[in-house]
Amino acid sequence: GIQVEQSPPDLILQEGANSTLRCNFSDSVNNLQWFHQNPWGQLINLFYIPSGTKQNGRLSATTVATERYSLLYISSSQTTDSGVYFCAVVSMGDGGSQGNLIFGKGTKLSVKP
Amino acid sequence: SAVISQKPSRDICQRGTSLTIQCQVDSQVTMMFWYRQQPGQSLTLIATANQGSEATYESGFVIDKFPISRPNLTFSTLTVSNMSPEDSSIYLCSVESGDAFHRGNTIYFGEGSWLTVV
Repeated sequence: GIQVEQSPPDLILQEGANSTLRCNFSDSVNNLQWFHQNPWGQLINLFYIPSGTKQNGRLSATTVATERYSLLYISSSQTTDSGVYFCAVVSMGDGGSQGNLIFGKGTKLSVKP
Repeated sequence: SAVISQKPSRDICQRGTSLTIQCQVDSQVTMMFWYRQQPGQSLTLIATANQGSEATYESGFVIDKFPISRPNLTFSTLTVSNMSPEDSSIYLCSVESGDAFHRGNTIYFGEGSWLTVV
């Protein structure tokens, strides 16, 4: 099955710093989403981005489908950005439902004041 | 988008007992999905629940351990049966919904149900 690798696994930032999180995937995808899991376990949708670039406030994401990677940019980080960031995909070759998201192991981000 | 409510949000369960988690969606959806997140781990799909048919289970998950009901297009339950400490996890319900911002069929998750088995 498709493999999803995220890097770095852990990241510590000073408030105000910028960061880039990476997601590599091993097969073509027809769905790619970025999630933020807060300390209470809630998964928040950040982006649905199987290809192209999107921006939402301090966050932006780019997926280069032909090269099988996606990047999540966080600018001017805040302590509330802390948590785990997951990349999840649905393989084009899966033939299964859109709901069968394959998750990476996540990047644990800690933003210090 | 979709708003998903799960109950219970958190529970401590005795070994050998069973617990049913409820998932309510604010709109009608064809498919609902149940995921498990073990401590410190990523999420894994347990099963897909379609209204009016048997749930489809992923490899490593069986109906006897995780029976699922899907009585209508807005509701589903997942039961964790004969629990052991290894079942301590967050269980999350999710649905696929069209979304104007994301411009695609996006997967949304409930708040999760934190189960601790002692």
